[in-house]
Amino acid sequence: EAQVTQNPRYLITVTGKKLTVTCSQNMNHEYMSWYRQDPGLGLRQIYYSMNVEVTDKGDVPEGYKVSRKEKRNFPLILESPSPNQTSLYFCASSPGTTNTGELFFGEGSRLTVL
Amino acid sequence: AQSVAQPEDQVNVAEGNPLTVKCTYSVSGNPYLFWYVQYPNRGLQFLLKYITGDNLVKGSYGFEAEFNKSQTSFHLKKPSALVSDSALYFCAVRGTRDTGRRALTFGSGTRLQVQP
Repeated sequence: EAQVTQNPRYLITVTGKKLTVTCSQNMNHEYMSWYRQDPGLGLRQIYYSMNVEVTDKGDVPEGYKVSRKEKRNFPLILESPSPNQTSLYFCASSPGTTNTGELFFGEGSRLTVL
Repeated sequence: AQSVAQPEDQVNVAEGNPLTVKCTYSVSGNPYLFWYVQYPNRGLQFLLKYITGDNLVKGSYGFEAEFNKSQTSFHLKKPSALVSDSALYFCAVRGTRDTGRRALTFGSGTRLQVQP
């Protein structure tokens, strides 16, 4: 089954404790991206990657890092989480090199930072 | 900068009645427009998109949307609502000039409640 898989789905952590949210897609998509969803704000892009070893900032990159060492994986790293990073996070991927394609989303990872 | 407005936080409709979820957008140049649906504790699922051509776009689960360039709108419609359509709906836009980031700018979402 074609899908985007995120882990963990739920996580409660404390301020300053480094964490990684993994994302993997099995559709051989070149493009991948991370979004965060907050009530009343819709989804906002954190980082994106056009292909392996190519990443760039989205609208709200502060406090986050990403890497793209393999085509299928795009982990989101919070080096020193803070309470304002409490949110629902979505990984997404899209095929090809054009910008007409829809995004395929993972199930989401709900993160709480105390 | 591009933006999307979904003016209604919630839309209530009776099962069997037609439904409309409103969306207006602002973008430089021509838009690519998308509708997504989110069920509780799930990711966003793609419903339909407008890229070019016919202004009426048909998508999944019987939904359709009409692109109106003069009104910069892309309203989601369905002729006959089902209780199972109850969910959170997001409109999103991407500028055709955005060939790199491919970022979708989302609206704040509209909760659709279909009563039996």
